[in-house]
Amino acid sequence: GAGVSQSPSNKVTEKGKDVELRCDPISGHVSLFWYQQALGQGPEFLTYFQNEAQLDKSGLPSDRFFAERPEGSVSTLKIQRTQQEDSAVYLCASSLGGGADTQYFGPGTRLTVL
Amino acid sequence: GNSVTQMEGPVTLSEEAFLTINCTYTATGYPSLFWYVQYPGEGLQLLLKATKADDKGSNKGFEATYRKETTSFHLEKGSVQVSDSAVYFCAPGPGGFKTIFGAGTRLFVKA
Repeated sequence: GAGVSQSPSNKVTEKGKDVELRCDPISGHVSLFWYQQALGQGPEFLTYFQNEAQLDKSGLPSDRFFAERPEGSVSTLKIQRTQQEDSAVYLCASSLGGGADTQYFGPGTRLTVL
Repeated sequence: GNSVTQMEGPVTLSEEAFLTINCTYTATGYPSLFWYVQYPGEGLQLLLKATKADDKGSNKGFEATYRKETTSFHLEKGSVQVSDSAVYFCAPGPGGFKTIFGAGTRLFVKA
């Protein structure tokens, strides 16, 4: 079956522009996670959804970051007024049940802010 | 909170060599321990896990034993292949979004 997909795979933008990243989780998976992975580092948690409810957004670095999952499937991560420090790979993962189940990761979106 | 220290890379080995990637952690309580792998161009995926002390996780010839006394979870493989070239992440946690990932160790295996 299909895994987690993310689009675009690469995004180059200018400082100050807004960007939108998309995640399609595995069909039927209840939980969805966003991570930020800086170059040479491990993924760092951003936010977590259970169905359409955003249960934890403690990892979002600023109020420029906003995530939603309105129908409990596809999710978007929006970054407003991008800064150079936002350059990273953004990973999405989904799991079948609650937050402690095995996560399945997408290939990521590489964001470069010039 | 949990934290993890893993061996810095890159690690370069010849095919059929023995692999060890060290990982030590600090955690409150008794976390589950995970190794994730990221192959070139692919998403991160769970390689193996252990949920309690002295448990051994294994998969694809890789093994790691949960050592509570030394707070370690070293990854080993007896004979690496070129296809094992990837980045390996050690991760202690209760699982899910509370998992803390190490910085990753890049492995290159030469034919």
